[in-house]
Amino acid sequence: GQSLEQPSEVTAVEGAIVQINCTYQTSGFYGLSWYQQHDGGAPTFLSYNALDGLEETGRFSSFLSRSDSYGYLLLQELQMKDSASYFCAVRDHYGGATNKLIFGTGTLLAVQP
Amino acid sequence: EAGVTQFPSHSVIEKGQTVTLRCDPISGHDNLYWYRRVMGKEIKFLLHFVKESKQDESGMPNNRFLAERTGGTYSTLKVQPAELEDSGVYFCASSPESGLRYTQYFGPGTRLTVL
Repeated sequence: GQSLEQPSEVTAVEGAIVQINCTYQTSGFYGLSWYQQHDGGAPTFLSYNALDGLEETGRFSSFLSRSDSYGYLLLQELQMKDSASYFCAVRDHYGGATNKLIFGTGTLLAVQP
Repeated sequence: EAGVTQFPSHSVIEKGQTVTLRCDPISGHDNLYWYRRVMGKEIKFLLHFVKESKQDESGMPNNRFLAERTGGTYSTLKVQPAELEDSGVYFCASSPESGLRYTQYFGPGTRLTVL
């Protein structure tokens, strides 16, 4: 089967750093994406890793290790507005073409003052 | 640039009725995807269009679900007849032709409640 495992909840304080881990087991793999979702609204793209290593985008960084089937999202200088659900998603492939996303169950991040 | 839009935002129907959801992708995006999230579970892929053609419909749960994308612009997802387990949030996403950098842009979703 296909599965992506994430912690269900994480709590941190403003200004801190938090890491959300994701381990995956999928039949195909072309990359790992991270999405943010506030209050059940539109998932918003944060980051994408196709190759091993770290990708940095402002306060957010994402890491991938394909040999370990593992990635993480790192959020620095946490702000209250970062309270949201965070999803990892594997970019799968079908028939040689694009490219559905297989989502994890999501991590609810609560940032406290 | 306008984002992905979906209509309606909410729909409440009774079991056995028909509902049609609409998605307008970002202009110029050939790839259109439907996903849904049922209560407490992960967001799951339903199907993928490239222009007006169905590229992958492996996630469609059964033949009560019919998706169309006539003309390769907006798409509709019809559920007929609706069942209780169809309740959830239906998301649409779009992307341009894929390159090394791959992003799907999601709409706000349609929250469907079947009573």
